[in-house]
Amino acid sequence: DTGVSQDPRHKITKRGQNVTFRCDPISEHNRLYWYRQTLGQGPEFLTYFQNEAQLEKSRLLSDRFSAERPKGSFSTLEIQRTEQGDSAMYLCASSRTGGREKLFFGSGTQLSVL
Amino acid sequence: AQKITQTQPGMFVQEKEAVTLDCTYDTSDQSYGLFWYKQPSSGEMIFLIYQGSYDEQNATEGRYSLNFQKARKSANLVISASQLGDSAMYFCAMRELNQFYFGTGTSLTVIP
Repeated sequence: DTGVSQDPRHKITKRGQNVTFRCDPISEHNRLYWYRQTLGQGPEFLTYFQNEAQLEKSRLLSDRFSAERPKGSFSTLEIQRTEQGDSAMYLCASSRTGGREKLFFGSGTQLSVL
Repeated sequence: AQKITQTQPGMFVQEKEAVTLDCTYDTSDQSYGLFWYKQPSSGEMIFLIYQGSYDEQNATEGRYSLNFQKARKSANLVISASQLGDSAMYFCAMRELNQFYFGTGTSLTVIP
């Protein structure tokens, strides 16, 4: 069990640029979640996958955001035409379905849009 | 309505003392899960403790215990014998169906 891995840890970009984040879940976990967290707030749900299928997307996820999980393994979250309001911590979590399902989080990617 | 409410933005506790962090939740489901996570300044969310809605006993994990009062819809976290390393943000969360909902967190500071 190597834990959930996210890359990069920090990303600084200029407004209007595209950015992509990667998440590698715990290997035996079939669910993968993306959350966004701003200062002083709890994580807010963005989207989640069960295996390779994206099952739910939040209204927070505008059409500039897209997430993929090819082959049900790692996942990518892309933000196109970044805006200053996109500055936040992007957290990835994985879990295994079951009655006592719990989330295991990565260290997050801190995005700063200048 | 908020699914998870944490009414204490900040708490202070003396080292070696116990502290209770409050959490109330809102759901009409019979089956749900309640969680507490710790987030140190490094940013990673660390799982602390889990309570299932059908669990009759309060959950305990080392120095952490969850005071589960189902009728009042509360799931308070009790940290016993506080240590300096316990200083962090603490988030209460609920799993309802396939969704996890988080509160706004409580910042705990342990005073030497």
